Amino acid sequence: NAGVMQNPRHLVRRRGQEARLRCSPMKGHSHVYWYRQLPEEGLKFMVYLQKENIIDESGMPKERFSAEFPKEGPSILRIQQVVRGDSAAYFCASSPNGQIWADTQYFGPGTRLTVL
Amino acid sequence: DQQVKQNSPSLSVQEGRISILNCDYTNSMFDYFLWYKKYPAEGPTFLISISSIKDKNEDGRFTVFLNKSAKHLSLHIVPSQPGDSAVYFCAARGRIQGAQKLVFGQGTRLTINP
Repeated sequence: NAGVMQNPRHLVRRRGQEARLRCSPMKGHSHVYWYRQLPEEGLKFMVYLQKENIIDESGMPKERFSAEFPKEGPSILRIQQVVRGDSAAYFCASSPNGQIWADTQYFGPGTRLTVL
Repeated sequence: DQQVKQNSPSLSVQEGRISILNCDYTNSMFDYFLWYKKYPAEGPTFLISISSIKDKNEDGRFTVFLNKSAKHLSLHIVPSQPGDSAVYFCAARGRIQGAQKLVFGQGTRLTINP
Protein backbone atom coordinates (compact mmCIF):
# COMPACT_ATOMS: atom_id res chain seq x y z
CA ASN A 1 0.00 0.00 0.00
CA ALA A 2 2.11 2.84 -1.33
CA GLY A 3 2.11 6.14 0.48
CA VAL A 4 2.03 9.58 -1.08
CA MET A 5 4.54 9.74 -3.89
CA GLN A 6 6.25 12.85 -5.15
CA ASN A 7 8.59 13.24 -8.05
CA PRO A 8 11.10 14.31 -8.77
CA ARG A 9 12.69 14.30 -5.34
CA HIS A 10 15.20 16.92 -6.42
CA LEU A 11 14.77 19.43 -9.21
CA VAL A 12 17.28 21.99 -10.41
CA ARG A 13 16.17 24.81 -12.68
CA ARG A 14 17.76 27.97 -13.99
CA ARG A 15 16.03 31.28 -13.54
CA GLY A 16 13.23 31.71 -16.08
CA GLN A 17 12.62 28.01 -16.63
CA GLU A 18 9.49 26.10 -15.66
CA ALA A 19 9.25 23.64 -12.79
CA ARG A 20 6.64 20.87 -12.71
CA LEU A 21 6.20 18.95 -9.48
CA ARG A 22 4.07 15.84 -9.36
CA CYS A 23 2.17 14.22 -6.53
CA SER A 24 0.36 10.90 -6.54
CA PRO A 25 -1.92 10.63 -3.51
CA MET A 26 -2.41 7.49 -1.50
CA LYS A 27 -4.76 4.97 -3.05
CA GLY A 28 -8.33 5.90 -2.32
CA HIS A 29 -7.50 9.51 -1.44
CA SER A 30 -9.21 12.20 -3.49
CA HIS A 31 -7.99 15.30 -1.66
CA VAL A 32 -4.56 16.80 -2.20
CA TYR A 33 -2.81 19.66 -0.40
CA TRP A 34 0.42 21.41 -1.37
CA TYR A 35 2.72 23.07 1.14
CA ARG A 36 5.98 24.97 0.74
CA GLN A 37 8.79 25.03 3.24
CA LEU A 38 11.33 27.80 2.86
CA PRO A 39 14.70 27.39 4.62
CA GLU A 40 14.42 27.74 8.41
CA GLU A 41 10.64 28.09 8.21
CA GLY A 42 7.63 25.88 8.79
CA LEU A 43 5.38 24.46 6.14
CA LYS A 44 3.05 27.00 4.58
CA PHE A 45 -0.22 26.00 2.95
CA MET A 46 -0.46 26.75 -0.74
CA VAL A 47 -3.47 25.03 -2.29
CA TYR A 48 -6.11 22.37 -1.64
CA LEU A 49 -7.54 20.40 -4.54
CA GLN A 50 -10.03 17.66 -5.19
CA LYS A 51 -10.24 15.80 -8.46
CA GLU A 52 -10.74 18.42 -11.20
CA ASN A 53 -11.45 21.16 -8.64
CA ILE A 54 -9.41 23.78 -6.84
CA ILE A 55 -11.06 24.14 -3.44
CA ASP A 56 -8.78 26.69 -1.77
CA GLU A 57 -5.83 28.42 -3.39
CA SER A 58 -5.50 31.24 -0.88
CA GLY A 59 -1.88 30.32 -0.15
CA MET A 60 -0.72 30.36 -3.76
CA PRO A 61 1.27 33.32 -5.09
CA LYS A 62 -0.90 35.21 -7.54
CA GLU A 63 1.51 34.93 -10.43
CA ARG A 64 3.57 32.13 -11.98
CA PHE A 65 2.11 29.39 -9.76
CA SER A 66 -0.69 27.03 -10.73
CA ALA A 67 -1.96 23.65 -9.60
CA GLU A 68 -4.21 20.98 -10.99
CA PHE A 69 -5.52 17.58 -10.02
CA PRO A 70 -6.95 15.97 -13.15
CA LYS A 71 -9.44 13.16 -13.25
CA GLU A 72 -6.65 10.79 -14.20
CA GLY A 73 -3.05 11.07 -13.14
CA PRO A 74 -1.14 12.92 -10.46
CA SER A 75 -1.62 16.38 -9.11
CA ILE A 76 0.77 18.89 -10.68
CA LEU A 77 2.20 22.05 -9.13
CA ARG A 78 3.58 24.23 -11.88
CA ILE A 79 5.89 27.18 -11.39
CA GLN A 80 6.59 29.28 -14.46
CA GLN A 81 9.63 31.51 -14.92
CA VAL A 82 11.22 30.38 -11.67
CA VAL A 83 13.22 32.81 -9.56
CA ARG A 84 15.79 32.12 -6.84
CA GLY A 85 13.18 32.82 -4.15
CA ASP A 86 11.21 29.78 -5.34
CA SER A 87 13.96 27.50 -4.01
CA ALA A 88 12.27 25.47 -1.29
CA ALA A 89 10.95 22.06 -0.37
CA TYR A 90 7.47 21.45 -1.70
CA PHE A 91 5.38 18.89 0.13
CA CYS A 92 2.19 17.26 -0.99
CA ALA A 93 -0.30 15.65 1.39
CA SER A 94 -3.42 13.64 0.70
CA SER A 95 -6.46 12.67 2.69
CA PRO A 96 -9.45 10.44 2.07
CA ASN A 97 -11.86 13.28 2.80
CA GLY A 98 -11.86 17.00 3.08
CA GLN A 99 -11.59 17.33 6.81
CA ILE A 100 -8.45 19.10 7.93
CA TRP A 101 -7.92 16.44 10.57
CA ALA A 102 -4.27 16.29 9.88
CA ASP A 103 -3.88 12.89 11.46
CA THR A 104 -5.60 11.70 8.32
CA GLN A 105 -3.47 13.93 6.10
CA TYR A 106 -0.50 11.93 4.87
CA PHE A 107 2.58 13.70 3.58
CA GLY A 108 4.87 12.76 0.73
CA PRO A 109 8.67 12.97 0.96
CA GLY A 110 8.77 16.33 -0.77
CA THR A 111 10.45 17.80 -3.85
CA ARG A 112 13.44 20.00 -3.20
CA LEU A 113 13.58 22.72 -5.86
CA THR A 114 16.80 24.58 -6.39
CA VAL A 115 16.85 27.57 -8.70
CA LEU A 116 20.27 28.57 -9.97
CA ASP B 1 2.40 37.32 10.54
CA GLN B 2 3.58 34.14 12.27
CA GLN B 3 0.48 32.80 14.01
CA VAL B 4 2.22 29.68 15.33
CA LYS B 5 5.69 30.09 16.82
CA GLN B 6 8.30 27.66 18.00
CA ASN B 7 10.89 29.92 19.56
CA SER B 8 13.56 27.28 20.09
CA PRO B 9 15.16 26.27 16.79
CA SER B 10 17.04 23.44 18.49
CA LEU B 11 17.07 21.38 21.65
CA SER B 12 19.57 18.83 22.92
CA VAL B 13 18.58 16.25 25.55
CA GLN B 14 20.30 13.32 27.19
CA GLU B 15 18.92 9.88 26.37
CA GLY B 16 16.46 8.75 29.03
CA ARG B 17 15.62 12.28 30.16
CA ILE B 18 12.51 14.30 29.35
CA SER B 19 12.30 16.38 26.17
CA ILE B 20 9.97 19.38 26.28
CA LEU B 21 9.14 21.18 23.05
CA ASN B 22 7.16 24.39 23.19
CA CYS B 23 4.80 26.18 20.85
CA ASP B 24 2.90 29.46 21.13
CA TYR B 25 0.02 30.69 19.01
CA THR B 26 -1.79 33.98 18.60
CA ASN B 27 -5.13 33.08 17.00
CA SER B 28 -7.72 32.25 19.68
CA MET B 29 -9.95 30.67 17.00
CA PHE B 30 -7.62 27.69 16.53
CA ASP B 31 -9.56 24.63 17.68
CA TYR B 32 -7.21 21.70 17.11
CA PHE B 33 -3.47 21.33 17.58
CA LEU B 34 -1.05 18.75 16.25
CA TRP B 35 2.56 17.74 16.49
CA TYR B 36 4.45 16.34 13.53
CA LYS B 37 7.83 14.66 13.43
CA LYS B 38 10.09 14.98 10.43
CA TYR B 39 13.22 13.06 9.57
CA PRO B 40 15.65 14.36 6.91
CA ALA B 41 14.56 13.69 3.34
CA GLU B 42 11.12 12.53 4.48
CA GLY B 43 7.74 14.17 4.79
CA PRO B 44 6.25 15.09 8.16
CA THR B 45 4.45 12.30 9.99
CA PHE B 46 1.65 12.86 12.45
CA LEU B 47 2.60 12.26 16.07
CA ILE B 48 -0.13 13.40 18.45
CA SER B 49 -2.96 15.91 18.58
CA ILE B 50 -5.21 17.68 21.04
CA SER B 51 -8.58 19.36 20.78
CA SER B 52 -9.04 22.81 22.26
CA ILE B 53 -11.61 21.40 24.70
CA LYS B 54 -8.92 19.35 26.40
CA ASP B 55 -5.78 20.31 28.26
CA LYS B 56 -3.85 17.05 28.00
CA ASN B 57 -3.53 14.10 25.67
CA GLU B 58 -1.21 11.18 26.21
CA ASP B 59 0.02 8.46 23.86
CA GLY B 60 2.76 6.24 25.18
CA ARG B 61 5.91 8.27 25.71
CA PHE B 62 4.32 11.38 24.18
CA THR B 63 2.09 13.84 26.01
CA VAL B 64 0.76 17.11 24.68
CA PHE B 65 -0.37 19.85 27.06
CA LEU B 66 -2.54 22.78 26.04
CA ASN B 67 -2.86 26.01 28.04
CA LYS B 68 -5.53 28.00 26.24
CA SER B 69 -5.32 31.06 28.47
CA ALA B 70 -1.62 31.36 27.69
CA LYS B 71 -2.09 30.23 24.07
CA HIS B 72 0.69 27.73 24.63
CA LEU B 73 1.15 24.04 23.97
CA SER B 74 3.98 21.70 24.70
CA LEU B 75 5.07 18.22 23.76
CA HIS B 76 6.71 16.05 26.39
CA ILE B 77 8.69 12.98 25.42
CA VAL B 78 9.75 10.72 28.24
CA PRO B 79 11.99 8.86 28.28
CA SER B 80 13.77 10.32 25.27
CA GLN B 81 15.35 7.85 22.86
CA PRO B 82 17.95 8.32 20.10
CA GLY B 83 15.28 7.60 17.48
CA ASP B 84 13.40 10.67 18.66
CA SER B 85 16.09 12.87 17.07
CA ALA B 86 14.18 14.76 14.37
CA VAL B 87 12.57 18.11 13.62
CA TYR B 88 9.27 18.60 15.41
CA PHE B 89 6.58 20.91 14.04
CA CYS B 90 3.53 22.06 15.91
CA ALA B 91 0.50 22.95 13.83
CA ALA B 92 -2.85 24.55 14.54
CA ARG B 93 -6.11 24.22 12.69
CA GLY B 94 -8.33 27.20 12.15
CA ARG B 95 -10.51 29.09 9.71
CA ILE B 96 -8.29 31.49 7.83
CA GLN B 97 -9.38 33.48 4.81
CA GLY B 98 -12.71 31.66 4.86
CA ALA B 99 -11.46 28.08 4.89
CA GLN B 100 -10.03 25.59 7.33
CA LYS B 101 -6.26 25.38 7.19
CA LEU B 102 -3.30 24.03 9.07
CA VAL B 103 -0.76 26.63 10.20
CA PHE B 104 2.67 25.30 11.07
CA GLY B 105 5.39 26.57 13.37
CA GLN B 106 8.99 26.87 12.20
CA GLY B 107 10.06 23.61 13.80
CA THR B 108 12.44 22.60 16.59
CA ARG B 109 15.35 20.28 15.89
CA LEU B 110 15.59 17.77 18.73
CA THR B 111 18.84 15.89 19.27
CA ILE B 112 18.97 13.04 21.75
CA ASN B 113 22.49 12.38 22.99
CA PRO B 114 23.44 8.84 24.05
